[in-house]
Amino acid sequence: EPEVTQTPSHQVTQMGQEVILRCVPISNHLYFYWYRQILGQKVEFLVSFYNNEISEKSEIFDDQFSVERPDGSNFTLKIRSTKLEDSAMYFCASLVGGNEQFFGPGTRLTVL
Amino acid sequence: AQSVTQLDSQVPVFEEAPVELRCNYSSSVSVYLFWYVQYPNQGLQLLLKYLSGSTLVESINGFEAEFNKSQTSFHLRKPSVHISDTAEYFCAVNAKETSGSRLTFGEGTQLTVNP
Repeated sequence: EPEVTQTPSHQVTQMGQEVILRCVPISNHLYFYWYRQILGQKVEFLVSFYNNEISEKSEIFDDQFSVERPDGSNFTLKIRSTKLEDSAMYFCASLVGGNEQFFGPGTRLTVL
Repeated sequence: AQSVTQLDSQVPVFEEAPVELRCNYSSSVSVYLFWYVQYPNQGLQLLLKYLSGSTLVESINGFEAEFNKSQTSFHLRKPSVHISDTAEYFCAVNAKETSGSRLTFGEGTQLTVNP
């Protein structure tokens, strides 16, 4: 069964450093998403991506964040200068065009 | 905009007991409704969804949820829980009219099944 994959599973970084979180969505899917879950809190939407551009973003997704689909298979989330409060689990999801978003296993980002 | 409220942050129950996890939502547009489950140290898995038609939807592992439009609720139930049902359960909605719209999640309910 096809699945969304994410790498790395755990990323540790120093405050102020740039990180890139990688996702490989399901191959025929058209919509891509990033969500995050701060420890003990609910899952929050960050951004959605369709037809090679951002279709929607939340107030969390400020200028420090960017997304890219560089090669038709990967979907990346970049945080330019990480802050302590960026520590969270980041989930990638994809959707073929119906209504069920398929989630990856997540990347745990720890900012020290 | 949508919002989702899960009324219970933690629900402890004994094995084989029935359980209900409550979810209410608010939205200015029609929505689809979902329940996701997150087992420890894992990602989110879709448990069941309501799109249209019968207001009672069921999962393959014995959970069911009923959409109540007048009460804007989508409570999750299981008549007899197992230890393996211990997990965090998230209710979520998204807008029907907008393709690929974001999911809005509730705060989650930690279900702990004790022997």
